[in-house]
Amino acid sequence: DAGVIQSPRHEVTEMGQEVTLRCKPISGHNSLFWYRQTMMRGLELLIYFNNNVPIDDSGMPEDRFSAKMPNASFSTLKIQPSEPRDSAVYFCASSLGQGTTEAFFGQGTRLTVV
Amino acid sequence: AQSVTQLGSHVSVSEGALVLLRCNYSSSVPPYLFWYVQYPNQGLQLLLKYTTGATLVKGINGFEAEFKKSETSFHLTKPSAHMSDAAEYFCAVSVISGNTPLVFGKGTRLSVIA
Repeated sequence: DAGVIQSPRHEVTEMGQEVTLRCKPISGHNSLFWYRQTMMRGLELLIYFNNNVPIDDSGMPEDRFSAKMPNASFSTLKIQPSEPRDSAVYFCASSLGQGTTEAFFGQGTRLTVV
Repeated sequence: AQSVTQLGSHVSVSEGALVLLRCNYSSSVPPYLFWYVQYPNQGLQLLLKYTTGATLVKGINGFEAEFKKSETSFHLTKPSAHMSDAAEYFCAVSVISGNTPLVFGKGTRLSVIA
């Protein structure tokens, strides 16, 4: 398996623009997670899905952030409009389920908003 | 709710010296514990995990960790550091019950000095 695939790897955009990050989880995994990593706040869970259904989005910082999972093999994280403070590395991870099973991470998308 | 505390945001050791990265957790139910490693510009990779059974867990690259319930700790060790061990290390906790994904500590950056 190719692992969790994220695109793009790097994104530079201007403040106010819409940004869409994409994720393809490992086939057969039924849980998907979006994390954000910054120097100041470390690794933060933004939202996670079970069987394509959003379970907890309490980590989403603002209404500017939204996430979807239209099917088991694809998810998006959208920021509209983007702001410089959104600059971070965004990770997608998937797992077979909560608890005993580990999460497998993608390579991340480094977002820079100028 | 679960939480993880990693003591020391930065640890520096000499090549060949013992590596000890500290992790303490808080959980109201029996936890499952994980250590991940992140190399520069990469995603997180699982080093080892504790679910049930033997409390001393061996992982990849010569790392091991011991679950100590009485101390609520899960410290990561390696007898002899190698230059290639320089990376960021994250401890994480989860539980089998409920619907909670992995909760990560803030990470410890390991530097290895030649």
